Amino acid sequence: AQTVTQSQPEMSVQEAETVTLSCTYDTSESNYYLFWYKQPPSRQMILVIRQEAYKQQNATENRFSVNFQKAAKSFSLKISDSQLGDTAMYFCAFMKPYNTDKLIFGTGTRLQVFP
Amino acid sequence: DVKVTQSSRYLVKRTGEKVFLECVQDMDHENMFWYRQDPGLGLRLIYFSYDVKMKEKGDIPEGYSVSREKKERFSLILESASTNQTSMYLCASRTSGSYYGYTFGSGTRLTVV
Repeated sequence: AQTVTQSQPEMSVQEAETVTLSCTYDTSESNYYLFWYKQPPSRQMILVIRQEAYKQQNATENRFSVNFQKAAKSFSLKISDSQLGDTAMYFCAFMKPYNTDKLIFGTGTRLQVFP
Repeated sequence: DVKVTQSSRYLVKRTGEKVFLECVQDMDHENMFWYRQDPGLGLRLIYFSYDVKMKEKGDIPEGYSVSREKKERFSLILESASTNQTSMYLCASRTSGSYYGYTFGSGTRLTVV
């Protein structure tokens, strides 16, 4: 069974600085998808970034980028130029296609951005 | 934008009550999901549905059931609420075959007293 591990329960960063959130996963599959979701205090889960395992190029979305290391089964999220609005819970998630297509989540990292 | 609407943001129920959590999506998505979110445990899948009247158990189905009579609506039922079911419940939906993740509702925080 696939598992997703987020080893940092809480992190903090100063506004305008860069922070990296860690995620590792365990799977025997070669084709899969990885996601980072953000959950602000409003509780609405928002998709931040998505990575397809067969693509070697790391995904980027504006200030958000990932470091995808397939062999190491690592999928970290880098947030550049942190903003107060980035304060949220961040969840890493794994999806294996063509099966049940379930999203398997990690336990989350609470990020606090300080002024 | 796809919308997933959960009928209640906060709910307080008594132990032993039958509880219905409702979820409605407006984009004709085939797949719908119920997750439970607890601190330190992340999101855990309770039940999911591929299509109308179809349902599959997730990782923690005990004490729950679901109903999907119409494509847009997916209900989570707590047959006899217990205090250990106090939690945040999140509903999500997606188009079958899409790998852009899910669209989530904003959650129902259920307290069982």
